[in-house]
Amino acid sequence: SQQGEEDPQALSIQEGENATMNCSYKTSINNLQWYRQNSGRGLVHLILIRSNEREKHSGRLRVTLDTSKKSSSLLITASRAADTASYFCATDGTGFQKLVFGTGTRLLVSP
Amino acid sequence: SAVISQKPSRDICQRGTSLTIQCQVDSQVTMMFWYRQQPGQSLTLIATANQGSEATYESGFVIDKFPISRPNLTFSTLTVSNMSPEDSSIYLCSVDGQPRGYTFGSGTRLTVV
Repeated sequence: SQQGEEDPQALSIQEGENATMNCSYKTSINNLQWYRQNSGRGLVHLILIRSNEREKHSGRLRVTLDTSKKSSSLLITASRAADTASYFCATDGTGFQKLVFGTGTRLLVSP
Repeated sequence: SAVISQKPSRDICQRGTSLTIQCQVDSQVTMMFWYRQQPGQSLTLIATANQGSEATYESGFVIDKFPISRPNLTFSTLTVSNMSPEDSSIYLCSVDGQPRGYTFGSGTRLTVV
C-alpha cells in the first residue's frame, strides 16, 4: 500500500497543552499537506510544506519535514477544545496530482 | 480557493440499489478526485475524473461499480451501484486548490441497509 502511517493513532490531552502528531511516507514527494476532519465531515486544509522546505508555521501550527527520513510532524501549540478532530497527512507524489493520505490521528482536547 | 457543493450530505439506501453523488465547483477545474472513507479509516482514492475523457480508476475500484461522469469543468457525479452494506462509507470529492492545498466537498455519508 502507498498509504502513509501516522502516530499516535489517538491522542488525548488537556486544553493548553501541545499536541504532536507524526507522519511517515514511502515515496518521493512534491509536497506534504496536513488536513483536519471534524466528525466525519469534509476535510479542511491546514498547511502545505514543499519538499525543499524543512519547517513551516501557521498560527498555532508548526510543521516539520525530513525528506531523508520520509517523515513529518505537526505540532499544535496551546490546544483548545475546538481542536478536537482527526488529523491526516497527505503526500503529493512527484509527477502525480492525486493525494495519498496517512492513517490519521484522532485528537481529543479536554477542557 | 474553490468552493465545492456536494450532495446529498447523507442517505440511507437499500442493498441492491444505486446512489448518485453530485459535486459542483464554483470555478473551472481540470481534474476532480473521488475518495472513499470507510468507518474509522483514512481516505482512499477511488478515481480521477477529467472532463471529456473516461475516469482513471485506482486499483480495487472498477467503472461498473463506481461509474463517474464529468460533463463539464465544474461538475462531476459518482454513482455507487448495486450497493451492499460494505459500501457504507463517507464519499468525498476534491479538487486541486494549490498552492493552498486541495479543497474537499463536505462529504456524503452513505449507509446501506
